[in-house]
Amino acid sequence: AQKVTQAQTEISVVEKEDVTLDCVYETRDTTYYLFWYKQPPSGELVFLIRRNSFDEQNEISGRYSWNFQKSTSSFNFTITASQVVDSAVYFCALSEVNTGNQFYFGTGTSLTVIP
Amino acid sequence: NAGVTQTPKFQVLKTGQSMTLQCAQDMNHEYMSWYRQDPGMGLRLIHYSVGAGITDQGEVPNGYNVSRSTTEDFPLRLLSAAPSQTSVYFCASSRQGLSGYTFGSGTRLTVV
Repeated sequence: AQKVTQAQTEISVVEKEDVTLDCVYETRDTTYYLFWYKQPPSGELVFLIRRNSFDEQNEISGRYSWNFQKSTSSFNFTITASQVVDSAVYFCALSEVNTGNQFYFGTGTSLTVIP
Repeated sequence: NAGVTQTPKFQVLKTGQSMTLQCAQDMNHEYMSWYRQDPGMGLRLIHYSVGAGITDQGEVPNGYNVSRSTTEDFPLRLLSAAPSQTSVYFCASSRQGLSGYTFGSGTRLTVV
């Protein structure tokens, strides 16, 4: 079974629109970590955020914000006032303490911001 | 610059050839991993290591070997390349405690 599901394969938005990327995870562990990575067209993987399972506070970093809800096993990522430079593939990932730091990645959401 | 260095960046192999993808990090990270990225499948874990001399299998280990003789290096060996191993390979490292992985820039491998 997929541990991390990113149901949105591709999203297109017009510049300055807000966009939310969904991430649903599955785990039986009580201690785990959730991550978001960005992969721009150049191909590198850029770390965006880490959240541990005991901290459900939402986080905002500039135009980026993350909504972590354990009740729905979701860790959604919102970009406010999107820009062309936000065009990339975004990956959500789960790491469980009991599986020795293995990362489980979702299949990614390809975001295109149209100028 | 500190980080994870992967070599080569591109490689073409013939079926049956062997090769080693190199990965080195200079951040003194305990954890290192190898992933492959295929279209529509995200990144899948091949092998990982939690310290020098310790390795373990991930989700898709078949056809690959690893060793971790030093903290800095974590090479990935393809014993007999197959077309199914055509992929982009990423090496990553992390400090113990799940602080988030730092990824190398990737190796694009084509097996013909």
